[in-house]
Amino acid sequence: DQQVKQNSPSLSVQEGRISILNCDYTNSMFDYFLWYKKYPAEGPTFLISISSIKDKNEDGRFTVLNKSAKHLSLHIVPSQPGDSAVYFCAASVGTGNQFYFGTGTSLTVIP
Amino acid sequence: NAGVMQNPRHLVRRRGQEARLRCSPMKGHSHVYWYRQLPEEGLKFMVYLQKENIIDESGMPKERFSAEFPKEGPSILRIQQVVRGDSAAYFCASSSSGTRTQYFGPGTRLTVL
Repeated sequence: DQQVKQNSPSLSVQEGRISILNCDYTNSMFDYFLWYKKYPAEGPTFLISISSIKDKNEDGRFTVLNKSAKHLSLHIVPSQPGDSAVYFCAASVGTGNQFYFGTGTSLTVIP
Repeated sequence: NAGVMQNPRHLVRRRGQEARLRCSPMKGHSHVYWYRQLPEEGLKFMVYLQKENIIDESGMPKERFSAEFPKEGPSILRIQQVVRGDSAAYFCASSSSGTRTQYFGPGTRLTVL
């Protein structure tokens, strides 16, 4: 049962434009969300987080929005070729518990 | 400040052998999590440990898999009598008490021949 879904397996964006990656979840108890970036043959790298009580969190070029029910989005602007990677959305219930991961979206930023 | 360390990075085993995967959490982190990623899939939770305690092993297969996080030394994920279906990338993550963010190691890629 996939509780966190990333329905777009891949996304291509021109350099300098905005990348929007989407994440949907089914469990209304999720209260904390993370986005990770992953290069091939490496571990996931933490990007940005947001709690369910906030609707926006920004860190440089990365913004995560939590404005729709059971839906998150990661915005990268401006997109850079080095952003090309697989992005995973993850969600958890309560402190110290496991994270449920989506299947990832492979982002390609075209120079 | 070293990140999460995992070794070996690559491990090849024949069917029926044992695999031991090691994870050293980030300095100051006392919570360790193991995840498995099968080809073309997301990461799946296996087990959550604190020093000398298994907190949640709901994602661990009931047989052949075990994990520990001793008082001294790294956390160990042990797979006995490996089968081809165990071939995957195994990632370890750690966090500190009171924080939610988990930081991942580079993973161990297990190949079972």
